[in-house]
Amino acid sequence: ETGVTQSPTHLIKTRGQQVTLRCSSQSGHNTVSWYQQALGQGPQFIFQYYREEENGRGNFPPRFSGLQFPNYSSELNVNALELDDSALYLCASSFRLAIRQGTDTQYFGPGTRLTVL
Amino acid sequence: AQSVTQLGSHVSVSEGALVLLRCNYSSSVPPYLFWYVQYPNQGLQLLLKYTTGATLVKGINGFEAEFKKSETSFHLTKPSAHMSDAAEYFCAVTPANQAGTALIFGKGTTLSVSS
Repeated sequence: ETGVTQSPTHLIKTRGQQVTLRCSSQSGHNTVSWYQQALGQGPQFIFQYYREEENGRGNFPPRFSGLQFPNYSSELNVNALELDDSALYLCASSFRLAIRQGTDTQYFGPGTRLTVL
Repeated sequence: AQSVTQLGSHVSVSEGALVLLRCNYSSSVPPYLFWYVQYPNQGLQLLLKYTTGATLVKGINGFEAEFKKSETSFHLTKPSAHMSDAAEYFCAVTPANQAGTALIFGKGTTLSVSS
């Protein structure tokens, strides 16, 4: 069973650029959540996708956007990068029987380390 | 709004000593509760979770946690620390009445284990 994978592992961008981060869900999972983890902090929820539809969003501006594909893999896009966007971006996948099930275990990938200069 | 407080950003113990990592939550309704561990340069791994039922929850690697509603706490313990337990530990909640939404994490506690 393949776990959650993310690419790339590291990325360096400059302010104002755009970036796309990718996540492959664990086999059989239909829900993907994205988190931002700044240095020395706990992860903060960006948004979640359930069966290709956005299902909840945290306190992040619209320049953070995402997609979930039919195979349940996902992308996180960030436009107009700012210095404060430098962080570890974590993807987590899970399986839900229903959209409001909250007891599912989220399995995390290793993350993408984004540095904005 | 939900929130999670982890008391002590850094805990140091000797190998073989008791590990106690504290977590308190703020919620108008009992949430679902989780503990995750993060090793350097890795993602988060679930240690244990509480949803309903027995309030003492056993997890992997000898860890356990007890949900105490009256104290709004979910402290993590391990009777005997091992060097391999050194890592960052995160307590997280998801509101039970908003099931399906995000995990809300505490700021984390770094556990150091000395020989």
